[in-house]
Amino acid sequence: SQTIHQWPATLVQPVGSPLSLECTVEGTSNPNLYWYRQAAGRGLQLLFYSVGIGQISSEVPQNLSASRPQDRQFILSSKKLLLSDSGFYLCAWTEGGGSQETQYFGPGTRLLVL
Amino acid sequence: GESVGLHLPTLSVQEGDNSIINCAYSNSASDYFIWYKQESGKGPQFIIDIRSNMDKRQGQRVTVLLNKTVKHLSLQIAATQPGDSAVYFCAENLNSGYALNFGKGTSLLVTP
Repeated sequence: SQTIHQWPATLVQPVGSPLSLECTVEGTSNPNLYWYRQAAGRGLQLLFYSVGIGQISSEVPQNLSASRPQDRQFILSSKKLLLSDSGFYLCAWTEGGGSQETQYFGPGTRLLVL
Repeated sequence: GESVGLHLPTLSVQEGDNSIINCAYSNSASDYFIWYKQESGKGPQFIIDIRSNMDKRQGQRVTVLLNKTVKHLSLQIAATQPGDSAVYFCAENLNSGYALNFGKGTSLLVTP
């Protein structure tokens, strides 16, 4: 069966520090991968998605970037964190090859920027 | 326009009653819809989905109804249990893209 992992689970970082959040998927090949951010009491905002290694699409302009160095690995990064980057970051995957598939979410990383 | 603020709509039901959570979607071109359940501090969990060529789909204790005429989606939970307490999100997929557009969520509180 497929599983999706995210780490760390919780992170407290000072403003201006770098960020690296990691997401890995097991049990599937060539998945589509997604990064979302969820502010407290809000819905999910799509940040990036990837349909293959090295292929990244950005949905909103921001202080963050994403990379996909391996088929089942998706990384969310920042060179300098802002206070507004605080939130709950969720990684999701779908079967590759189509867009109308259910997205399955990881456990999330809670980021607090101070 | 979109609502702002940190207070989700809340639905409070008694254990054993049926729950109905509603969602209005915006784009008539959306053709795939999903309901997710999110417990505090966890990622959203898939509950049930429906494609636009259907108007009803049933799962275990859950039913999703789709009314394309008024762009309305609902989730019915039968015999609601305390473990059903969570925030429920509907999501729509536009047939031209990879993104899911999520609603704001509804908080379901099940009381004994």
